[in-house]
Amino acid sequence: DAGVTQSPTHLIKTRGQHVTLRCSPISGHKSVSWYQQVLGQGPQFIFQYYEKEERGRGNFPDRFSARQFPNYSSELNVNALLLGDSALYLCASSFGTGGVDEQFFGPGTRLTVL
Amino acid sequence: DAKTTQPPSMDCAEGRAANLPCNHSTISGNEYVYWYRQIHSQGPQYIIHGLKNNETNEMASLIITEDRKSSTLILPHATLRDTAVYYCIVRATGYSSASKIIFGSGTRLSIRP
Repeated sequence: DAGVTQSPTHLIKTRGQHVTLRCSPISGHKSVSWYQQVLGQGPQFIFQYYEKEERGRGNFPDRFSARQFPNYSSELNVNALLLGDSALYLCASSFGTGGVDEQFFGPGTRLTVL
Repeated sequence: DAKTTQPPSMDCAEGRAANLPCNHSTISGNEYVYWYRQIHSQGPQYIIHGLKNNETNEMASLIITEDRKSSTLILPHATLRDTAVYYCIVRATGYSSASKIIFGSGTRLSIRP
């Protein structure tokens, strides 16, 4: 069975540009969460979506936005890129029904902002 | 802020048991203890979780103290492939809790040959 997939795997952008990262959850999973992991730190929660609705938002500026599509895939958008946005962006999927809801992570997209 | 405290690093000889401690003294009654690990440059991988009873699966065992204020993850026969950062996390359950995971800094486990 396919796990969580993310694209692209690597990306290089310059300051001020915009970026879109994509995530496809495990089949049957309806919830997608996004995390940012800066080098040397643990992942930081950005967003969670369930059934196309935002269910949680971390402490990130409005330059970060996301959406979930009817097939439960998701996009993370970051506008006006800063050098500090350079990180590994992780997507995680789960059934999203609450309870003991394991999250399964994708391999991540490594974003470098120059 | 993370609700757990872990040593920043540990090492273990290959073939021996690796015991990773975690303190979660402020854990609430509806919060589970989860363990994930992250091998270099990969996404975190779920290992095990528990509420108050000890748990075992094909990867590891989780020992939770009776007062639930601390726990230990045990990798019974560590191999070089177990070298990773191990995260201990406490998570509430239920719809309103969503799936948000608050990661701390984790423990960097090194397995030596």
